Amino acid sequence: GIQVEQSPPDLILQEGANSTLRCNFSDSVNNLQWFHQNPWGQLINLFYIPSGTKQNGRLSATTVATERYSLLYISSSQTTDSGVYFCAVERKTGGYQKVTFGIGTKLQVIP
Amino acid sequence: SQTIHQWPATLVQPVGSPLSLECTVEGTSNPNLYWYRQAAGRGLQLLFYSVGIGQISSEVPQNLSASRPQDRQFILSSKKLLLSDSGFYLCALNRYTDTQYFGPGTRLTVL
Repeated sequence: GIQVEQSPPDLILQEGANSTLRCNFSDSVNNLQWFHQNPWGQLINLFYIPSGTKQNGRLSATTVATERYSLLYISSSQTTDSGVYFCAVERKTGGYQKVTFGIGTKLQVIP
Repeated sequence: SQTIHQWPATLVQPVGSPLSLECTVEGTSNPNLYWYRQAAGRGLQLLFYSVGIGQISSEVPQNLSASRPQDRQFILSSKKLLLSDSGFYLCALNRYTDTQYFGPGTRLTVL
């Protein structure tokens, strides 16, 4: 099956710093999503981004499908950004979209 | 917009006991439904997916089973729990190329 690698696995930032999270995938995909899991376990979709660049406030994401990677940018980080960030890729298999997750990047933003 | 309900929120069960976790969906019809397990706060593993009533596919062989008796109901079961079944169980849905949405999860501890 498709492999999804995320880096770095862990990241500690000072509040206000910027960071870039990377997601590499081993095969062509139909779509890609970035999720944030808060300390209570809730997974929230950040971006649905099969290609191109999107921005939402202090977050932006870029996917280069032809080179099989995606980047998530966090600017001016805040303590509420702490949690685990997952990249998930989708491939259509047998009539449904199979989703494969990376193992995540655990981010801690310290005041 | 769609809403996913999961219960119970937390569960502590002895080894060898049965399990039933329920996921119900509101605000959409004929969704694709998924059960994921997350161990040790990282890495989501797809357990089951369903494209319709009575249609269940398993991604990995395991001690668990799933059923979809109604369009908006997805149940995860086990006849005899193992210690290795402990984890955070997440129900998710999507429709066609829509983004994937997650429920609040059930935290299961098997003692």
